[in-house]
Amino acid sequence: GDSVTQMEGPVTLSEEAFLTINCTYTATGYPSLFWYVQYPGEGLQLLLKATKADDKGSNKGFEATYRKETTSFHLEKGSVQVSDSAVYFCALRSPGAQKLVFGQGTRLTINP
Amino acid sequence: EAGVAQSPRYKIIEKRQSVAFWCNPISGHATLYWYQQILGQGPKLLIQFQNNGVVDDSQLPKDRFSAERLKGVDSTLKIQPAKLEDSAVYLCASSLGGPYSNQPQHFGDGTRLSIL
Repeated sequence: GDSVTQMEGPVTLSEEAFLTINCTYTATGYPSLFWYVQYPGEGLQLLLKATKADDKGSNKGFEATYRKETTSFHLEKGSVQVSDSAVYFCALRSPGAQKLVFGQGTRLTINP
Repeated sequence: EAGVAQSPRYKIIEKRQSVAFWCNPISGHATLYWYQQILGQGPKLLIQFQNNGVVDDSQLPKDRFSAERLKGVDSTLKIQPAKLEDSAVYLCASSLGGPYSNQPQHFGDGTRLSIL
């Protein structure tokens, strides 16, 4: 079945550091790929998405590129802020379905 | 636009008791989802409704969990009887359009359930 694997957390960085959170997936066909963010005590918010190979999703300084050849969708940000501290989830949605399949999440802490 | 509303925010019960959660989706959203998020894991879909019909309940433990969306708007999820492993955050989400459309899902803040 479809699955998503994220890099193990927690990840702790200093403010203005470069961020990469790795995400790889297993799916049949060409899924849509997503990054969601969950701030403490809140629900999930869509951060960015990509729906086909080589698409780049971007939002709030975060970027991720849909790489079909490596089945990856790594999240990057050039300069993180304390306010980026949250749990980040990579997810996929298979063609013709609405169900999201999530990775286990990566907790990110940014120190000032 | 108002977001997805869930209540209660927190619930503590003893094992073998029953509990119910309520969700009011964004107005006009035809599709409603219930996810279970166990600590340290990503959310897992329990059930998906299209209006008041069930689209997918393949991962719902039907011996103890039930859900309904009688008028195609708000929904309730019930657990009876609760087990220790049901401790989790229960997330409700909704989306515009049919079950196979490309519309994004909008999530509520969740109900955190603790089983003693």
